Amino acid sequence: DAGVIQSPRHEVTEMGQEVTLRCKPISGHNSLFWYRQTMMRGLELLIYFNNNVPIDDSGMPEDRFSAKMPNASFSTLKIQPSEPRDSAVYFCAGGDRGRTDTQYFGPGTRLTVL
Amino acid sequence: GNSVTQMEGPVTLSEEAFLTINCTYTATGYPSLFWYVQYPGEGLQLLLKATKADDKGSNKGFEATYRKETTSFHLEKGSVQVSDSAVYFCALSDRSDYKLSFGAGTTVTVRA
Repeated sequence: DAGVIQSPRHEVTEMGQEVTLRCKPISGHNSLFWYRQTMMRGLELLIYFNNNVPIDDSGMPEDRFSAKMPNASFSTLKIQPSEPRDSAVYFCAGGDRGRTDTQYFGPGTRLTVL
Repeated sequence: GNSVTQMEGPVTLSEEAFLTINCTYTATGYPSLFWYVQYPGEGLQLLLKATKADDKGSNKGFEATYRKETTSFHLEKGSVQVSDSAVYFCALSDRSDYKLSFGAGTTVTVRA
């Protein structure tokens, strides 16, 4: 199993640009979580999906952030427009809800907004 | 609500020293407890978990026991190696929504 796949691994962009982060969860996992990690705030849950349906997006910081999960094997997190304070490492994690509460993390995308 | 408090770091140890990282939690229900480890430049990996009181999770020489009476899940390793240098996160899941609540993380550096 390839594990959770995230792309790109690194993204450098300029303020005001649109950024799209991508995640492919482990096959068969039915829950998906997006996290943001910064030195100041630690790990923050942004949004999570169950069976491709957004369940809780209360952690999404602003309307500039949006997430979609069009099918069980793909999710995106979009920031439009991006700002320097969005610079962070963004993680995607998945799990098999109903069987285990363990989450499996991807390697992360390091985003730098100049 | 749910919350996790873990020992602040950073922690610096010599190789073969004993490591303890304290973790206590507050939960409304009966949570599962986890330790995740993050090596430099990587995502979080599950290190060990426990799902009920008095369960002991163990992996790679690390151990933690689910103590319901003290609401704790302290991580221990008897003899650390340089390769154990990482950030360690204590976390809980309350099982109702499968969300994880994380502690702030403890950075551990092991010197040869």
